[in-house]
Amino acid sequence: QKEVEQDPGPLSVPEGAIVSLNCTYSNSAFQYFMWYRQYSRKGPELLMYTYSSGNKEDGRFTAQVDKSSKYISLFIRDSQPSDSATYLCAMSAGNQFYFGTGTSLTVIP
Amino acid sequence: SQTIHQWPATLVQPVGSPLSLECTVEGTSNPNLYWYRQAAGRGLQLLFYSVGIGQISSEVPQNLSASRPQDRQFILSSKKLLLSDSGFYLCAWSLGPNTEAFFGQGTRLTVV
Repeated sequence: QKEVEQDPGPLSVPEGAIVSLNCTYSNSAFQYFMWYRQYSRKGPELLMYTYSSGNKEDGRFTAQVDKSSKYISLFIRDSQPSDSATYLCAMSAGNQFYFGTGTSLTVIP
Repeated sequence: SQTIHQWPATLVQPVGSPLSLECTVEGTSNPNLYWYRQAAGRGLQLLFYSVGIGQISSEVPQNLSASRPQDRQFILSSKKLLLSDSGFYLCAWSLGPNTEAFFGQGTRLTVV
């Protein structure tokens, strides 16, 4: 069993839709939770991070962590074509990072 | 503010040739440094990480090596490239345990 599971998609939505991206994990030692956005042929860009259960909002993006269920989510409101990218969830325990395989998102104008 | 530089962006090398990819971080001291390889549909594979000068941890036995000659410099090397070394290589840094990682723009290596 992988330590981090992420549905690879692809996910295709119309512009303006609400997007929900999810990851599950198995290691209760994970303390820090991150979401990255990666455009084609570019390095991952940190979108959001949190270390506690609950919601964290930044503009159109909301990160949600449920440690009891070992489940994290990223919600994108009013999705835009520029949101089309691959989204990676990530978690850390100590100095190590554990990444999901990424979900490919396309927002159709 | 902190920045990370990784170069070159693309590289085409013949089989059997040496490799040197360089990564430097500016604006911070004693960062943790990482080399990852990313394959399509397989996520990020950790190759090496370093918590200080001269301290290198290898995660995957392979044809590659890493060095950290200076606090904010991380180098990925190979003496003889294999076809299977082709891929997208990413350097990253973090401030320490349980903090976020920041990535460079990556190097797309094609071994021919």
